[in-house]
Amino acid sequence: SQQGEEDPQALSIQEGENATMNCSYKTSINNLQWYRQNSGRGLVHLILIRSNEREKHSGRLRVTLDTSKKSSSLLITASRAADTASYFCATAQIYNQGGKLIFGQGTELSVKP
Amino acid sequence: NAGVMQNPRHLVRRRGQEARLRCSPMKGHSHVYWYRQLPEEGLKFMVYLQKENIIDESGMPKERFSAEFPKEGPSILRIQQVVRGDSAAYFCASSRYNRGLHDSPLHFGNGTRLTVT
Repeated sequence: SQQGEEDPQALSIQEGENATMNCSYKTSINNLQWYRQNSGRGLVHLILIRSNEREKHSGRLRVTLDTSKKSSSLLITASRAADTASYFCATAQIYNQGGKLIFGQGTELSVKP
Repeated sequence: NAGVMQNPRHLVRRRGQEARLRCSPMKGHSHVYWYRQLPEEGLKFMVYLQKENIIDESGMPKERFSAEFPKEGPSILRIQQVVRGDSAAYFCASSRYNRGLHDSPLHFGNGTRLTVT
């Protein structure tokens, strides 16, 4: 079964506020990745955090990973209307001949100007 | 550099027809993934291919669906005898290295939206 459950399913905030999205997963992972999807488009990679890392920053993005709780969070600070999109976490399952990403259901973020 | 190219962007098929979805990975990428997305849902893994090999097809329905990635040309996802439940967005993604997911993301195309009438 797919793993990676995002919470909340939908989030609506005002421009300038922070947005926090959470992701839980079930099995052991090599890394966890966050992606963004604008309506009608493909996914765009945002940030990758390895299983031995606890926190990572990229611009206005901050990702945490707690492998003991099998959870991750994505924080977008000082949100903008252009951040409106769906956000997905994905866990990397790697095996001898390669690997695959397993995606969660996503959080739909709406940032109102 | 061109990204992952998928065509067509939109495909309409009647029940019972065949659908062929094409994906050209990024230049230099030899690993291709296909995912399916139903409305307001996440992406479901279907199949992982390397050139001329299917590595993992654990997400592919047992019947009517097949995928290939030939030595030359794009990867093809083929759905035979389509049914209404096949209506979805199908995304292709590519990566460069055998163990690229350790350190590298997948690069996605903009998808093919299949509508079965």
